[in-house]
Amino acid sequence: AQSVTQLGSHVSVSEGALVLLRCNYSSSVPPYLFWYVQYPNQGLQLLLKYTSAATLVKGINGFEAEFKKSETSFHLTKPSAHMSDAAEYFCAVSLVTGGGNKLTFGTGTQLKVEL
Amino acid sequence: GAGVSQTPSNKVTEKGKYVELRCDPISGHTALYWYRQSLGQGPEFLIYFQGTGAADDSGLPNDRFFAVRPEGSVSTLKIQRTERGDSAVYLCASSFKGGASYEQYFGPGTRLTVT
Repeated sequence: AQSVTQLGSHVSVSEGALVLLRCNYSSSVPPYLFWYVQYPNQGLQLLLKYTSAATLVKGINGFEAEFKKSETSFHLTKPSAHMSDAAEYFCAVSLVTGGGNKLTFGTGTQLKVEL
Repeated sequence: GAGVSQTPSNKVTEKGKYVELRCDPISGHTALYWYRQSLGQGPEFLIYFQGTGAADDSGLPNDRFFAVRPEGSVSTLKIQRTERGDSAVYLCASSFKGGASYEQYFGPGTRLTVT
């Protein structure tokens, strides 16, 4: 079975500070990994994904994540937080079965950005 | 273009009643997924359709839950004899095809409350 663990259900940063959201995965096969963002009353939006190409993945809105197999991690970072980054972030791992891309999500991290 | 839409946005029903939740995927997307998001949790996979057929229904919690996609486009999630534990946000996602290289686009969800 595959799973992800997100450390820290709530993270608070100052505007302009580094954002670091942690994700560790467990997978019996090489994983595909994803970060999604969810704004209030909106659907999940894909930030970035790792599908076994480059280990450093760049996404939208200045976010990036690095796949580290030795640490089984896929942490999300952004050099400088903006107020508009306040949202809930989900890490996910996929299991490709029957041709489908079934996503297993972590419990989410709520990011708060303060002035 | 139009994204994934879900109706209704909110549904309140009494315990024991039957409910139907509808998902309109992005036009041309052959893969469709249903997830359930309980309060404070990440989305959990329910079922995956490739075209008209359910390719993976391993996430449906019990036989009270059923989903159809008769023409390979719109899908309906059906819940019989609802229980208070069914209260959650039900998310639908679609992708061009089923593989991990194809992004899943999520709808805003239907918030189901069982009283």
